[in-house]
Amino acid sequence: SQQGEEDPQALSIQEGENATMNCSYKTSINNLQWYRQNSGRGLVHLILIRSNEREKHSGRLRVTLDTSKKSSSLLITASRAADTASYFCATDARGSSNTGKLIFGQGTTLQVKP
Amino acid sequence: GAVVSQHPSRVICKSGTSVKIECRSLDFQATTMFWYRQFPKQSLMLMATSNEGSKATYEQGVEKDKFLINHASLTLSTLTVTSAHPEDSSFYICSAAGGGSNQPQHFGDGTRLSIL
Repeated sequence: SQQGEEDPQALSIQEGENATMNCSYKTSINNLQWYRQNSGRGLVHLILIRSNEREKHSGRLRVTLDTSKKSSSLLITASRAADTASYFCATDARGSSNTGKLIFGQGTTLQVKP
Repeated sequence: GAVVSQHPSRVICKSGTSVKIECRSLDFQATTMFWYRQFPKQSLMLMATSNEGSKATYEQGVEKDKFLINHASLTLSTLTVTSAHPEDSSFYICSAAGGGSNQPQHFGDGTRLSIL
């Protein structure tokens, strides 16, 4: 079952603006990951943040994690038309059988207008 | 690095046909592979987790006799949709993980399956 919820479901911005997407989850986690999916393609891994980390940066991406609120955010700065895609958060749940199984959120569809 | 190849990318076939989808890790050994199904404008739904040399672990509600998974080597897993029907039409995506904690999954490009 899907445990993650993301908001907004859809986001439309102008090129150059920042885009923020939020993700909430329900159980304790080992880590939280963000992925990007272009239409009709597979997923591309963007960033992984461990449960003991609070913030992580990668290029124009900034991810925060608040384990007390069970939430994460993905910020894309200075967006480009090429950033248009669906973005998913996924959690690696903590448990005795650590298979690395991921539970995906519902995703945010981002449209960046040139 | 960490490239996963999935074939075929698209299949169109008649009802009753069995369809095999391959997932290969090209430049790393995949201890675990995962198979997902994705409906239009929806998220990924995990179908099963596959470990090399052992039986796949299916998620609740996924028919193991319908979706046969084989993970014969550290670089290849296959999903066979047996006697496919129109309701099996979907986008199927595989991913592979190399083992170890706190590692991302690497995804194939998906297979669009259309059953007429």
